Amino acid sequence: QSVLTQPPSASGTPGQRVTISCSGSSSNIGIKTVNWYQHLPGTAPKVLIYGDNQRPSGVPDRFSGSKSGTSASLAISGLQSEDEADYYCATWDDSLNGWVFGGGTKLTVL
Amino acid sequence: QVQLVQSGTEMKKPGASVKVSCKASGYDFTVYHMHWVRQAPGQGLEWMGRINPNSDDTNYAQTFQGRVTMTRDTSINTVYMELSRLRSDDTAVYYCAKGGPIRFLEWLSPFDYWGQGTLVTVSS
Repeated sequence: QSVLTQPPSASGTPGQRVTISCSGSSSNIGIKTVNWYQHLPGTAPKVLIYGDNQRPSGVPDRFSGSKSGTSASLAISGLQSEDEADYYCATWDDSLNGWVFGGGTKLTVL
Repeated sequence: QVQLVQSGTEMKKPGASVKVSCKASGYDFTVYHMHWVRQAPGQGLEWMGRINPNSDDTNYAQTFQGRVTMTRDTSINTVYMELSRLRSDDTAVYYCAKGGPIRFLEWLSPFDYWGQGTLVTVSS
């Protein structure tokens, strides 16, 4: 049971916009910034969003992040087949004094 | 360019220990935290802890306290993660991941580079 709660799955058709939620609490998302990672099978995870809504260089602007209160969201617009992957939110938890990940969301492009 | 290269696949028996290495290159090794994250089969990512390569200071996730030891060798820009008293549910891919600058608040920076992963299988 992860400290951060994500839906186990999400799906969309090419070109659609999908959002993935990440719910936390006042000891993590409520007071710390959120990062999002994309994980393709057999590869190392890659940071997509950091600091709630910042994109590292090289990440397409189709990916965006937002946060409100103790929840965060990752939005992917113009969905493409190569976006099919697992997505994880992560943040620092003050109560645990460490990093916590969401359980991950498997995105399927139909 | 930044590279993190990990040691190879390990197969261990329950109760044994495993030590995984992660050799860093392409950046100042002692300036950035190094983290360890694992993924068990069919499960999500789990943070295990981190080491400050400059001071050797560590911060371990509560789940692994008492079983994990992270060390570093600054002469060869390598960090190590040793997990003891292995159980079958420790079977996982273990990743090292470069964190933010040590002088920054720890929670401000993402894990921006990752190793290729090391599969550790625990089975009798």
